[in-house]
Amino acid sequence: DIQMTQSPSTLSASVGDRVSITCRASQSTNNWLAWFQQKPGTAPKVLIYKASGLESGVPSRFSGSGSETEFTLTINSLQPDDFATYYCLQYSIYPWAFGQGTKVEIK
Amino acid sequence: EVQLVESGGGLVQPGGSLRLSCAASGFTVSSIYMSWLRQAPERGLEWVSIIYTGGNTYYTDSVKGRFTISRDNSKNTIYLQMNSLRVEDTAVYYCARVAVYGDGWKPFDYWGQGTLVTVSS
Repeated sequence: DIQMTQSPSTLSASVGDRVSITCRASQSTNNWLAWFQQKPGTAPKVLIYKASGLESGVPSRFSGSGSETEFTLTINSLQPDDFATYYCLQYSIYPWAFGQGTKVEIK
Repeated sequence: EVQLVESGGGLVQPGGSLRLSCAASGFTVSSIYMSWLRQAPERGLEWVSIIYTGGNTYYTDSVKGRFTISRDNSKNTIYLQMNSLRVEDTAVYYCARVAVYGDGWKPFDYWGQGTLVTVSS
């Protein structure tokens, strides 16, 4: 099984900040890596797929990068609507696996 | 408009069974891969199972032999039959689509609202 390690678990930031979240896989995911945003009481929303593909309708301040085992989600100029929990997902090998999540909080 | 609506959650005793349903509209479930995921209270997301268009199925290790994913094309609905339920299966269960494009997959582009399963005596 592929294990996903996401960091940090919590991130305090201000509106306008640039923030980055990292996800490390225990083995190569062949870039089959997605990022999701979840707000309390709602289903997650896909932001990025195949490591760097921006989902339709997602603001361009979100970007994904990385390859093989190390990936980063970057949010440029954090907006009030971006305070949420973010998860990475490897979908290369079954069982698919999520990272533990990163809560982005208001500083 | 694509919509997924889960139902069937509730309170069940350990060892009991439950069947979840996910009714789809705006697309046909037979033409796309469909998945179940879950989220325990105040915990992270966990992928549970997937069913391919051809009928192949895969499961996370903790539910193998206990859960079964299936599809009824005439009702445009997928199901999750859950047997031998354990306290640790308590979670909100979501169904979600996996879009296939070009040479790749885009996981979980649409989700249902979730249905709560509570396993407790």
